[in-house]
Amino acid sequence: QSALTQPASVSGSPGQSISISCTATSSDVGGYNYVSWYQQHPGKAPKLMIYEVSNRPSGVSNRFSGSKSGNTASLTISGLQAEDEADYYCSSYTSSSPVFGGGTKLTVL
Amino acid sequence: QVQLVESGGGVVQPGGSLRLSCAASGFTFSNYGIHWVRQAPGKGLEWVAFIRYDGNDKNYADSVKGRFTLSRDNSKNTLYLQMSSLRTEDTAVYYCAKILYAFYPIAAPPFDYWGQGTLVTVSS
Repeated sequence: QSALTQPASVSGSPGQSISISCTATSSDVGGYNYVSWYQQHPGKAPKLMIYEVSNRPSGVSNRFSGSKSGNTASLTISGLQAEDEADYYCSSYTSSSPVFGGGTKLTVL
Repeated sequence: QVQLVESGGGVVQPGGSLRLSCAASGFTFSNYGIHWVRQAPGKGLEWVAFIRYDGNDKNYADSVKGRFTLSRDNSKNTLYLQMSSLRTEDTAVYYCAKILYAFYPIAAPPFDYWGQGTLVTVSS
């Protein structure tokens, strides 16, 4: 069982904003700022979207933002676009190894 | 530009062995730790292993510890994952992924570049 819990699916209409949560099941995960988020389109490799909770790599749209409160991190996508439809994974660090959430399928209606 | 290219995947019988390679270009390979992450068909991402930039520290997931061995040849800009005693549950696409920061001493994320993956199928 993953140490990070994500909702299996979320959906939204074009132009709307959605958030995906990532909840740690142990306090040591929540105590780190190693949370990162990855986008994965079908058949493609994951792509880094957010790192260290809220930092955006160069080239990633500013429609993507990250935050954390206690043991729960969140990825927010504003102004939803059709190309945002993908799987999203959070990741953090615990017990000397990385861990991933189970993934969330984002559907753009 | 940064590129990671995995190779070596294929079909192998349970109990068999396979060696995956990850060829890197576009960055100073010897300065960066590299991870392997796998994804079983239709499933989520699972971290597998990490090797530090100098090869002096390695971490493995409990699910592969004692069966998988990581090594790197910094003169060839290549990483190797030797997999033995393979099980059906090892069937997955295997990705190598580069750490964002140079000289990062620990196995923490983030992973800023990923290869395209190589499929390993363990089946009789």
